[in-house]
Amino acid sequence: DAKTTQPNSMESNEEEPVHLPCNHSTISGTDYIHWYRQLPSQGPEYVIHGLTSNVNNRMASLAIAEDRKSSTLILHRATLRDAAVYYCILRGNMLTFGGGTRLMVKP
Amino acid sequence: DSGVTQTPKHLITATGQRVTLRCSPRSGDLSVYWYQQSLDQGLQFLIHYYNGEERAKGNILERFSAQQFPDLHSELNLSSLELGDSALYFCASSVGRLSYNSPLHFGNGTRLTVT
Repeated sequence: DAKTTQPNSMESNEEEPVHLPCNHSTISGTDYIHWYRQLPSQGPEYVIHGLTSNVNNRMASLAIAEDRKSSTLILHRATLRDAAVYYCILRGNMLTFGGGTRLMVKP
Repeated sequence: DSGVTQTPKHLITATGQRVTLRCSPRSGDLSVYWYQQSLDQGLQFLIHYYNGEERAKGNILERFSAQQFPDLHSELNLSSLELGDSALYFCASSVGRLSYNSPLHFGNGTRLTVT
């Protein structure tokens, strides 16, 4: 599975948008880009995924670069409940998780 | 609620012992994945089963084994336990074998403590 690179941590203010970046320069043509988040003491939770086009759902938006070598998860209005570790993964057979980005949300 | 059920939630056992962790996937999901999460190593992929067959192996120790039964539930067996095996063990399920377009749904894990 191809590797992804994310910042270790990010901070945001409550009710402001958050942009979580992910680099995946070795992505292959068949890899889907998946995002998961993990709250303390819980299993990872699916957030969103896409292949080439930008995607929106009730939780977030996913912006994918034209060359697919990077993507950005967008939380439109961060809440305290969004504080979690966010993982960007290239979906292959094993679905390997990297270190993720710890998002801290300040009231 | 992801629909994935893992039992037990907590398990405390001694070194050298053997335990079995159980996972029931979401209804309709044929793939089951096992992950180990320890404090210093993040989420490590162990093994993937699809419809009863092993499909991929990750960093799974020889002391560990798994299987998926005809009713699609899966068990992860850990033997000759060591202190370092203490971790959270997660199971995840998805619809297909190689359906990269389908998300994984995780259970809430089994916390194993080896004393």
